[in-house]
Amino acid sequence: DVKVTQSSRYLVKRTGEKVFLECVQDMDHENMFWYRQDPGLGLRLIYFSYDVKMKEKGDIPEGYSVSREKKERFSLILESASTNQTSMYLCASRRSGGPKAFFGQGTRLTVV
Amino acid sequence: AQSVTQLDSQVPVFEEAPVELRCNYSSSVSVYLFWYVQYPNQGLQLLLKYLSGSTLVKGINGFEAEFNKSQTSFHLRKPSVHISDTAEYFCARARGGSRLTFGEGTQLTVNP
Repeated sequence: DVKVTQSSRYLVKRTGEKVFLECVQDMDHENMFWYRQDPGLGLRLIYFSYDVKMKEKGDIPEGYSVSREKKERFSLILESASTNQTSMYLCASRRSGGPKAFFGQGTRLTVV
Repeated sequence: AQSVTQLDSQVPVFEEAPVELRCNYSSSVSVYLFWYVQYPNQGLQLLLKYLSGSTLVKGINGFEAEFNKSQTSFHLRKPSVHISDTAEYFCARARGGSRLTFGEGTQLTVNP
């Protein structure tokens, strides 16, 4: 079974801190995604990557950046965390053109 | 424009009643459609998917969905629900083989 692992389940950071959320997948998938999940808004795509060093903005990229230096790892970076970035963050991976995306367990980030 | 719309944010039903969770998508030449389920404090699991072929798709836990191209809908149905079906359900669409976008989610609550 594919495994998508997010480095932290819960994280508390201070306003203005630089925050790194890490995601690793073990199935050599080309596509990786970062979403945030908020009540009533569903999952909103922040960024996705379709290959190493390749990325595309999703629907809400403002305040975020990403890094994909290796195929198995996709990092989400909050350059200067703000309280409105308090949310559940979900990472997913998928073979290019494949039928199924696999999700990590999520990271609940609280910015105080 | 929203590419996936879930028409109901909350659906309360009684146990053993039938249920339909509605999903509409933006039309596209080729489209993959999915339903995911998220149980409390868990990650997302794939319920079923439509890639091509038969318009009636059967998934896990007795759920099924019908792809309707003329109405651009992909509604999820179950003839008789259980308490354990209480969860949030997400409709999703893949475009161009890569980008995966989600609807806002529907909270299904099954009452005894």
